Amino acid sequence: LAKTTQPISMDSYEGQEVNITCSHNNIATNDYITWYQQFPSQGPRFIIQGYKTKVTNEVASLFIPADRKSSTLSLPRVSLSDTAVYYCLGGRRSQGNLIFGKGTKLSVKP
Amino acid sequence: EPEVTQTPSHQVTQMGQEVILRCVPISNHLYFYWYRQILGQKVEFLVSFYNNEISEKSEIFDDQFSVERPDGSNFTLKIRSTKLEDSAMYFCASSGLAGGTYEQYFGPGTRLTVT
Repeated sequence: LAKTTQPISMDSYEGQEVNITCSHNNIATNDYITWYQQFPSQGPRFIIQGYKTKVTNEVASLFIPADRKSSTLSLPRVSLSDTAVYYCLGGRRSQGNLIFGKGTKLSVKP
Repeated sequence: EPEVTQTPSHQVTQMGQEVILRCVPISNHLYFYWYRQILGQKVEFLVSFYNNEISEKSEIFDDQFSVERPDGSNFTLKIRSTKLEDSAMYFCASSGLAGGTYEQYFGPGTRLTVT
């Protein structure tokens, strides 16, 4: 199970690009990296998942370098509504449960 | 977009009472989960359920907890004798496929307050 480390908090302003980096030095060959978002008093919501290189969807991009020891979630042009906690998770396909850390609390200011 | 629903949104109970938290997973999903989040802390896995049986559970999920899928749509979490430390937000989740690499869809949660 990949242990992940990410900053506790980050501040940004509306319209900026935000990059949240996650370290996972002991990631295993079969581990995927998944990011979830959680707003206050709501359940987590899947954002994006990747194995290596770059993955992009309508919400975010995920960059995973060749050594896979880290990954970066990129949120383009954030708005106030992107204020949330972002979790980086590592896991294998056979693993049923999600192991959440403390996440990164992103605060977007006007 | 299909979503996971949970009832009630808030449950207040006295210590020692039994509570049942209810969830309706997304209709074609096969894997169901319960997580909890104590206020200000991280989301913790409790149990996963597939094919009418528990597939995985955490240390938190002791004999006081049980899960059931009583019909084709509901998925319930029962706490037999609540303790003060059971106060938390309880999230149900479901996924179409097994494994942490597959997207899990979370419900809005039930806030359980034990007094």
